[in-house]
Amino acid sequence: KNQVEQSPQSLIILEGKNCTLQCNYTVSPFSNLRWYKQDTGRGPVSLTIMTFSENTKSNGRYTATLDADTKQSSLHITASQLSDSASYICVVNDRGSTLGRLYFGRGTQLTVWP
Amino acid sequence: EADIYQTPRYLVIGTGKKITLECSQTMGHDKMYWYQQDPGMELHLIHYSYGVNSTEKGDLSSESTVSRIRTEHFPLTLESARPSHTSQYLCASSESATEEPQHFGDGTRLSIL
Repeated sequence: KNQVEQSPQSLIILEGKNCTLQCNYTVSPFSNLRWYKQDTGRGPVSLTIMTFSENTKSNGRYTATLDADTKQSSLHITASQLSDSASYICVVNDRGSTLGRLYFGRGTQLTVWP
Repeated sequence: EADIYQTPRYLVIGTGKKITLECSQTMGHDKMYWYQQDPGMELHLIHYSYGVNSTEKGDLSSESTVSRIRTEHFPLTLESARPSHTSQYLCASSESATEEPQHFGDGTRLSIL
């Protein structure tokens, strides 16, 4: 069964600190992996998208890594800000169908305290 | 910022009513999607469309129906709302099914009394 598991489920950090969110997946065959940020009451917004051949991709203070061999990804947030408080969702895309089926994790709820 | 809009943002309505959730995008995307999301849970695909006059059911069984008469418009309809339909409904669109990110609207939070 294709799955996407994220950890931790929730995380609280102080403003200015760094943090790393984890994503493990079993989706096969693999096409790409995406990280989304979802603010409360809003729709998800894409942060990064990585294909099989990409190990690292950055978007400002967000850096995503991918190890396709171990089927693991991480999202590192540097120098956190209050506005980083949100749910971070890992999404894996397979290439087994024309649609490109998306498998969603349940997200990590990040809270940044002042 | 993606140009995809959902209305209404919030809807509280009684059982048995007919409901239409609106979704419009101005990006000219062929692919559009409807997801259902409950608190703390993953998004579940309930409908998708490859283009005008194309609609398919997603992975999660839903009593809702959709239509795609125009590229920019992808409304979702519930003929007779029930409390089990209470959820958040998110609409998304993309240029390509597999390579481009999906752009999401801000959702409709639906509560059926």
